[in-house]
Amino acid sequence: QITLKESGPTLVKPTQTLTLTCTFSGFSLSTSGVGVGWIRQPPGKALEWLALIYWDDDKRYSPSLKSRLTITKDTSKNQVVLTMTNMDPVDTATYYCALHTMVRGENWFDPWGQGTLVTVSS
Amino acid sequence: EIVLTQSPGTLSLSPGERATLSCRASQSVSSSYLAWYQQKPGQAPRLLIYGASSRATGIPDRFSGSGSGTDFTLTISRLEPEDFAVYYCQQSRTGVTFGQGTRLEIK
Repeated sequence: QITLKESGPTLVKPTQTLTLTCTFSGFSLSTSGVGVGWIRQPPGKALEWLALIYWDDDKRYSPSLKSRLTITKDTSKNQVVLTMTNMDPVDTATYYCALHTMVRGENWFDPWGQGTLVTVSS
Repeated sequence: EIVLTQSPGTLSLSPGERATLSCRASQSVSSSYLAWYQQKPGQAPRLLIYGASSRATGIPDRFSGSGSGTDFTLTISRLEPEDFAVYYCQQSRTGVTFGQGTRLEIK
C-alpha cells in the first residue's frame, strides 16, 4: 500500500520560510519513472502545482514560483522536502504531496497525501 | 505555460443523468499527458483518468475520458450520488498545470 503524509508548521509569519516534509511508504524514489510532487490549494480555490522531483534527482518548478521554491529528496529516509521562501498571506493553502508516475509516456499524480493546511499570518 | 480552461464552471444535474465536462488547452497536449481528478469536500484529489482515456485502478466504468489536441472531455454516463464533487483536468506536457475545476452539483 502506498501512502504519503505531509508535515510541517500550521502557522508561519509573513516573510518567513516554510519547510514541508512529505514522508512516504510503499514505493522507492530510486525507482525509474517515479517522482514526488507538491501541489497546493488555497481555501475554496483550484489546485496549483508547485514542484516535482524525480528518481534521478531531476527537479521541475512552477515558473511563477521558481525563485522561491527548493525541492530535495532523501531516498534513505523516504522523504521529500519543499522549502518556500518569503511567505505571504496569499500563500495560505492546503499543501499536498503526491506520487508522480511515468509509464510509457503517460504520467499522473496518484495517490495523494491528506494535505496540510498552512496559514500565513502575523 | 499551458493554460487549461474547464467548462462549465458549475454543472447542475440529477442522479441518473449524464454529465459531460470539458477541458480546453491553450496549446496542443498529447493525450498521454492529460489526466482527470475528482475532489470531494475535505478530501485530497483522487485520480480518475490518465492518458486522456485510461481509467485508474478501481474507477467505475461509468467514468470515461476522451479527446486529443486541445479538447478533452470527461463523461459520467449515469450519475450516482457519490459523483457530485469538483473535477479537475491536469496536463504535464510542459510543466504541470491544472484547470480551474468544474463543480458538479445536485439539481
